[in-house]
Amino acid sequence: DAGVIQSPRHEVTEMGQEVTLRCKPISGHNSLFWYRQTMMRGLELLIYFNNNVPIDDSGMPEDRFSAKMPNASFSTLKIQPSEPRDSAVYFCASSLSGSKYEQYFGPGTRLTVT
Amino acid sequence: AQSVTQPDIHITVSEGASLELRCNYSYGATPYLFWYVQSPGQGLQLLLKYFSGDTLVQGIKGFEAEFKRSQSSFNLRKPSVHWSDAAEYFCAVGVDEKLTFGTGTRLTIIP
Repeated sequence: DAGVIQSPRHEVTEMGQEVTLRCKPISGHNSLFWYRQTMMRGLELLIYFNNNVPIDDSGMPEDRFSAKMPNASFSTLKIQPSEPRDSAVYFCASSLSGSKYEQYFGPGTRLTVT
Repeated sequence: AQSVTQPDIHITVSEGASLELRCNYSYGATPYLFWYVQSPGQGLQLLLKYFSGDTLVQGIKGFEAEFKRSQSSFNLRKPSVHWSDAAEYFCAVGVDEKLTFGTGTRLTIIP
């Protein structure tokens, strides 16, 4: 079975542009997590969904960030407008509802905002 | 709020030597504890977990960890490391359905 799929793997954009990151969780998993990893702040949880519903978005840095999960097999994280400080690796992870801590991570999207 | 401390940013060991990575947590109750590993350019993979019961837990790839409540620690061990173990290791605590990760320990293996 395929693991968590993220696209694109690398994204370079200019400040002010909109960026959309995509994630396909493992089939059958009904919890989905978005993380951001930077050298300065480590690995931070941005938002997580359960059964396509956002449960906790307290980690979303500001209104420029938004996330959606229109169905069980797809989620997006959007940054509009992007800023250089958004440069990071963004990970998507999924899990079964009964095992939320046993998360399967995607390979990540490395975002560079110039 | 819960927190996780990994005091060692970088550790270098020789192939075949034993390994211990340190992890301390702060949480009022008995936590759920985890070790994840991140190979270069990849996402994190769960190595092992502790929920309750036996304080010595076994994981994948020959790793084990011991929960010590008196020391608020959950150290990761391996008796003999292989070159393929070179990676970054993250300790995490699970509370309210969310994981809080430590800052990670980068492991380098020398021949």
